[in-house]
Amino acid sequence: GAGVSQSPSNKVTEKGKDVELRCDPISGHTALYWYRQRLGQGLEFLIYFQGNSAPDKSGLPSDRFSAERTGESVSTLTIQRTQQEDSAVYLCASSLMGQGGNEQFFGPGTRLTVL
Amino acid sequence: AQSVAQPEDQVNVAEGNPLTVKCTYSVSGNPYLFWYVQYPNRGLQFLLKYITGDNLVKGSYGFEAEFNKSQTSFHLKKPSALVSDSALYFCAVRDMLQGNTPLVFGKGTRLSVIA
Repeated sequence: GAGVSQSPSNKVTEKGKDVELRCDPISGHTALYWYRQRLGQGLEFLIYFQGNSAPDKSGLPSDRFSAERTGESVSTLTIQRTQQEDSAVYLCASSLMGQGGNEQFFGPGTRLTVL
Repeated sequence: AQSVAQPEDQVNVAEGNPLTVKCTYSVSGNPYLFWYVQYPNRGLQFLLKYITGDNLVKGSYGFEAEFNKSQTSFHLKKPSALVSDSALYFCAVRDMLQGNTPLVFGKGTRLSVIA
């Protein structure tokens, strides 16, 4: 089947506006992850969903950031009152549940630019 | 705490020469180790992983990596580099005791293969 998809691929917004980013994981993948990649930098973990367990929100940088996931399908990452420092590529990944040796499959990312 | 170090920001090699991209890790227990590649404006693509068993792991596109527990290293190698291998490479780790928690990534190494 298809890989992880994300939309939109690009988003330009004005400072102070809210944005919503979407991730469609691979069917059957119960684990879903959001990362942020600033220009020229590595991946910064944001939030992690595993099945029906409470999400791990420990990586969210502020209370302006939130994410939801409906069952084991689509996830949305919402950034309220965007700031210029939020400009980055937001990457979503999914994986099978297991002992921890399963690799994460990444989507192409959403490039967010806050003017 | 888990961490990954990629000591080289940039690696330059001539086409046809062997290449090595270095990675060292730190975990409390035993590691699961992963390599990913990122081409411009794309998400991360999985290359290979070490779970258990043979220390030499073979992956996609002719890449391989060797797990060295005593040196806590997992260097990525290829016998003969291609110009098309030019990309950003990320090493990642997860402690075996941490289940499906998010991978911890290094900062990335940019590989440039020169014709």
